[in-house]
Amino acid sequence: KAGVTQTPRYLIKTRGQQVTLSCSPISGHRSVSWYQQTPGQGLQFLFEYFSETQRNKGNFPGRFSGRQFSNSRSEMNVSTLELGDSALYLCASSTGLPGPQFAFEQYFGPGTRLTVT
Amino acid sequence: SQQGEEDPQALSIQEGENATMNCSYKTSINNLQWYRQNSGRGLVHLILIRSNEREKHSGRLRVTLDTSKKSSSLLITASRAADTASYFCAPLAYSGAGSYQLTFGKGTKLSVIP
Repeated sequence: KAGVTQTPRYLIKTRGQQVTLSCSPISGHRSVSWYQQTPGQGLQFLFEYFSETQRNKGNFPGRFSGRQFSNSRSEMNVSTLELGDSALYLCASSTGLPGPQFAFEQYFGPGTRLTVT
Repeated sequence: SQQGEEDPQALSIQEGENATMNCSYKTSINNLQWYRQNSGRGLVHLILIRSNEREKHSGRLRVTLDTSKKSSSLLITASRAADTASYFCAPLAYSGAGSYQLTFGKGTKLSVIP
């Protein structure tokens, strides 16, 4: 099975611009989560989508948004970029199926390194 | 917050030695997971231990969980240079409205010296 893929891998943007990142999950996985990783704050949860619905959301401003398509692919958008948005953005997929054996093991992509200048 | 907190923040050992990393969390969990991250890359899932389990093994990895103390430990035996990475614990907890959330600490940076 192919792993989680993220595009682009590297991105340089200017403050005030917007950016869209893409994530393709492992085939059959219906849950996609997004995380922001910075040296100061560590790995922080942005949001999770399951079957095209946002199921969970972290504590980030409304400039951060996402969506999931019917094929489970997901996009994350950041509007009005700030210098502090420079980070490694990680996407992870999981089966995400609720039930007594629910485990929510995450399979991560390689990340998109976003630099805001 | 349910965020796991790893201790120590950094650990340096000789190849062949054992490495122990600890994790503490704050409230009830469904399970606790450990991940590894090589420099600047995606995380890799190592092992999961459920809240009703006390110990689990996988190859050179041994994980313990003490729910009364809200703590977990990861032991890597006979370490190798290739084990050099950052290690994260991630408790999975119910976050309301039928959903669960996995939250990560800042990790333990392990350096294994050949």
